[in-house]
Amino acid sequence: NAGVTQTPKFRVLKTGQSMTLLCAQDMNHEYMYWYRQDPGMGLRLIHYSVGEGTTAKGEVPDGYNVSRLKKQNFLLGLESAAPSQTSVYFCASRHRDRGADTQYFGPGTRLTVL
Amino acid sequence: GNSVTQMEGPVTLSEEAFLTINCTYTATGYPSLFWYVQYPGEGLQLLLKATKADDKGSNKGFEATYRKETTSFHLEKGSVQVSDSAVYFCALSVKYGGSQGNLIFGKGTKLSVKP
Repeated sequence: NAGVTQTPKFRVLKTGQSMTLLCAQDMNHEYMYWYRQDPGMGLRLIHYSVGEGTTAKGEVPDGYNVSRLKKQNFLLGLESAAPSQTSVYFCASRHRDRGADTQYFGPGTRLTVL
Repeated sequence: GNSVTQMEGPVTLSEEAFLTINCTYTATGYPSLFWYVQYPGEGLQLLLKATKADDKGSNKGFEATYRKETTSFHLEKGSVQVSDSAVYFCALSVKYGGSQGNLIFGKGTKLSVKP
């Protein structure tokens, strides 16, 4: 039982490049989330999904796109990376019928945009 | 809107010292309150929670009491250990209709405990 995994763990991009971060969970959770963590800013919600084929914007969605084609996967895309997107990205998931606090977090992806 | 404010760090303590990390909140409705901990290089883990006024959450020697009158949820531990060194996040979630809303986090407080 791997829980929540994130790929890759580290990545360096140049401004304007694109990339996709993959989040996978094996707990059959309906809800999945993408957060970014910046020094002194805590975690801020980028996008989330309440089920396969559905996504919604969070607090800071600009510059990101997401897709949830399969229940176990939640992809976060950066079409044209900017230095302001340098951050640590965390994915999380939880069961629909359980509380928000039951989110399981992945280990994070550290992204640097030069 | 809903928000969480917690004391800024970093906080540096000696082993066996008393810890308090302040957290206050603003929320529409009746939030549930949480403390999360993030150890170096890891994701967040739920440390404790309280879902209604006057509830006390506790875990691993940490405690926090939901104070509605002061809109606070301060984290305390009587005797910290080096292994408690981590970043601590206060968070809330508000119910909308029948479902619970997303987590809203404070900015985090880094705790360093020296031997």
